[in-house]
Amino acid sequence: KQEVTQIPAALSVPEGENLVLNCSFTDSAIYNLQWFRQDPGKGLTSLLLIQSSQREQTSGRLNASLDKSSGRSTLYIAASQPGDSATYLCAVPTFTGNQFYFGTGTSLTVIP
Amino acid sequence: GAGVSQTPSNKVTEKGKYVELRCDPISGHTALYWYRQSLGQGPEFLIYFQGTGAADDSGLPNDRFFAVRPEGSVSTLKIQRTERGDSAVYLCASSLTQGAREQFFGPGTRLTVL
Repeated sequence: KQEVTQIPAALSVPEGENLVLNCSFTDSAIYNLQWFRQDPGKGLTSLLLIQSSQREQTSGRLNASLDKSSGRSTLYIAASQPGDSATYLCAVPTFTGNQFYFGTGTSLTVIP
Repeated sequence: GAGVSQTPSNKVTEKGKYVELRCDPISGHTALYWYRQSLGQGPEFLIYFQGTGAADDSGLPNDRFFAVRPEGSVSTLKIQRTERGDSAVYLCASSLTQGAREQFFGPGTRLTVL
């Protein structure tokens, strides 16, 4: 069974700082990897989907990288803002897409 | 609708009661997933529908949990004889087709069993 781990569990940074969130997975035979944002009491918002054939994907101040062979993905947030404060989750599907495995998330606080 | 919707947003019930949670996916999305999320944890897979059929229900914790999607659109998650341990946020997601496609989530239903 795929296991997904996210480190750190919590992170607090001053506004304007660049930061990296980490996601690791045990089974490298993945189809893609998706990063989500979750605000308190809310559902998940998709941020980036990176296919297994890609090495990175960018959207605005966000950049996700994927290294399948080492079982790792990183989410880079540039010039962090207080509005970026949320929990960030990564998820990987089984190859059939029948199930998705989530990490426990990184809770980010950006201090004004 | 524009996104995935779930009703109710909050449900408080007593131990032993029956509850139904509804999910309305994005129009045209054939794949639908239910997840359960406990405090401080990531979502845990419950069941996956492709069209009307449950293609994978291996995440359902026991036979008190059941889900249907009779017309291939709206889905209902049903929990019988609720227990306090069922308290969690129940999330629904849909994706355009089968396979490991991008998922879009609803806001969730927060279930509290007293």
